[in-house]
Amino acid sequence: DAKTTQPPSMDCAEGRAANLPCNHSTISGNEYVYWYRQIHSQGPQYIIHGLKNNETNEMASLIITEDRKSSTLILPHATLRDTAVYYCIVRVANAGGTSYGKLTFGQGTILTVHP
Amino acid sequence: DAGVIQSPRHEVTEMGQEVTLRCKPISGHDYLFWYRQTMMRGLELLIYFNNNVPIDDSGMPEDRFSAKMPNASFSTLKIQPSEPRDSAVYFCASSFVYDTRNTGELFFGEGSRLTVL
Repeated sequence: DAKTTQPPSMDCAEGRAANLPCNHSTISGNEYVYWYRQIHSQGPQYIIHGLKNNETNEMASLIITEDRKSSTLILPHATLRDTAVYYCIVRVANAGGTSYGKLTFGQGTILTVHP
Repeated sequence: DAGVIQSPRHEVTEMGQEVTLRCKPISGHDYLFWYRQTMMRGLELLIYFNNNVPIDDSGMPEDRFSAKMPNASFSTLKIQPSEPRDSAVYFCASSFVYDTRNTGELFFGEGSRLTVL
């Protein structure tokens, strides 16, 4: 699986948008970009994923550059409960998503949301 | 559904003892993953199964570690003999390839915190 690079830490004010960047310059055509987060002492939690189009769900938005070498996770209105470690992961999936490669976590970005 | 269930939540043992961690995946899921998390090494994938068959065990640190999945609703991770450097939080996760949202999302348990003295 391609490696990702994320800043080790970021801060954000409560109520503001949190924009978390990720570089994955060696991503392959069959690799998706996934984002998970881990709130202290809990298991990681899925946030969102995408292949090449921008994606949005109830938790966040994912913006993937046209060349797919980087992406940004956007939490539109960060709250104190969004303080967590955010992991950007690239993962193999076949067409139609009927099989997936292993999910390998890096060091992630520690996001701290301040009041 | 109750989610992925792990036991024990906490275990303290002495070096040389056998440790068995247990995991019950979400019913109907066909993938099961074991991860280990430490401050130094972060989250490491140890092994994963598909339909009860081990697919990739390249992350298992050494022969002291073994994992089994005798049926679709139960898996164990065993450490024998245990060493202080095995102290970590061990997470189990499961997923279902054919989920309706097509995400391959992993659902994690709450983890088993192991301390080896």
